[in-house]
Amino acid sequence: AQSVAQPEDQVNVAEGNPLTVKCTYSVSGNPYLFWYVQYPNRGLQFLLKYITGDNLVKGSYGFEAEFNKSQTSFHLKKPSALVSDSALYFCAVRDYGGATNKLIFGTGTLLAVQP
Amino acid sequence: ETGVTQSPTHLIKTRGQQVTLRCSSQSGHNTVSWYQQALGQGPQFIFQYYREEENGRGNFPPRFSGLQFPNYSSELNVNALELDDSALYLCASSSRGVPTDTQYFGPGTRLTVL
Repeated sequence: AQSVAQPEDQVNVAEGNPLTVKCTYSVSGNPYLFWYVQYPNRGLQFLLKYITGDNLVKGSYGFEAEFNKSQTSFHLKKPSALVSDSALYFCAVRDYGGATNKLIFGTGTLLAVQP
Repeated sequence: ETGVTQSPTHLIKTRGQQVTLRCSSQSGHNTVSWYQQALGQGPQFIFQYYREEENGRGNFPPRFSGLQFPNYSSELNVNALELDDSALYLCASSSRGVPTDTQYFGPGTRLTVL
């Protein structure tokens, strides 16, 4: 079965510093990986995805993610954090079960950016 | 913001009651998926609808049911509500037939069961 793990419940970073939110995956076959962000009392917003190709994926709001097959990781990164980046971040993997195309989510990582 | 809308925003029910949640998919999308997000957890897949039929189901009991309409909008129905059903219910729309398609989420419905 497909799964993702987010080893950190919370990441703290100062505004202007680079940030990394970690995600590791376990899949059979080729991984389709996603990052979503959730602001308080809101739904999930799509940030970026890895399907195939370049290991560095660029997404919305200046975020990028690095796919590493040997380490089975898909870490989310941003060169310079903003206070407005403070939110809950979810890594997800696509699970193809029969005809169903569903997402399996990690437990989430709360990013806190201090001014 | 995505074009996915959900109603109502909030809902309070008591144990044993029934509830219906609604979702309108983004223009051009033909598939709707429903997820349950309990407090402090990641979303859990409930089921998916395509061409007005259930197209896969997660580990949820039969009292969770759904519909999809010809315009691709969808409903989630939960019967005999239990306290543990309190959660944020998210719907996501996507385009079936595109393996690399992305699921876009609505703002969610917060259900509280007392």
